[in-house]
Amino acid sequence: DAKTTQPPSMDCAEGRAANLPCNHSTISGNEYVYWYRQIHSQGPQYIIHGLKNNETNEMASLIITEDRKSSTLILPHATLRDTAVYYCIVINFGNEKLTFGTGTRLTIIP
Amino acid sequence: DTGVSQNPRHKITKRGQNVTFRCDPISEHNRLYWYRQTLGQGPEFLTYFQNEAQLEKSRLLSDRFSAERPKGSFSTLEIQRTEQGDSAMYLCASTPGAINEKLFFGSGTQLSVL
Repeated sequence: DAKTTQPPSMDCAEGRAANLPCNHSTISGNEYVYWYRQIHSQGPQYIIHGLKNNETNEMASLIITEDRKSSTLILPHATLRDTAVYYCIVINFGNEKLTFGTGTRLTIIP
Repeated sequence: DTGVSQNPRHKITKRGQNVTFRCDPISEHNRLYWYRQTLGQGPEFLTYFQNEAQLEKSRLLSDRFSAERPKGSFSTLEIQRTEQGDSAMYLCASTPGAINEKLFFGSGTQLSVL
């Protein structure tokens, strides 16, 4: 699976959009981009995933660049409950497991 | 609650003792995963089951570790002769089918080996 690079930490003001970047420059054509988050003392929670097109659900939007070498997770109106570690994961369709990195620790500031 | 359930939530044991954790996945989820997480790190894959069959084991899973899923429903993870380095959060996750379907994680079992 392609390796991902994320900033170790970010801050965002409550009510503003949180934009979390992820670099996956070695991604191949059949690899998906997944985002999970982990709130303190809980297991990871699925947020969104995509292959080529931008995706949106009730939690977030995923913007994947045209060359697919990077992506951005957008939380449109961040709340204090969005404070968590966010993991960007690239996975091959044929691989059967997620490989987590160290993620981005997002802190929402009141 | 129909989520993934893990018991116990916390376990404190002395070095050399055996411990067993249990995971109850979401009903009818065929795949079940075990991960381990230490402080400041992301979860690390240990093993996974497709129904009752254990299909892959990480090199992290030494011979002191054994996982079972006897009837394709709940799973147990046993650690024999615990060591201080085994102290970690042990996470279980399940999914209906393939990995490209989202994983549902439990809240984990926090193991402390004294």
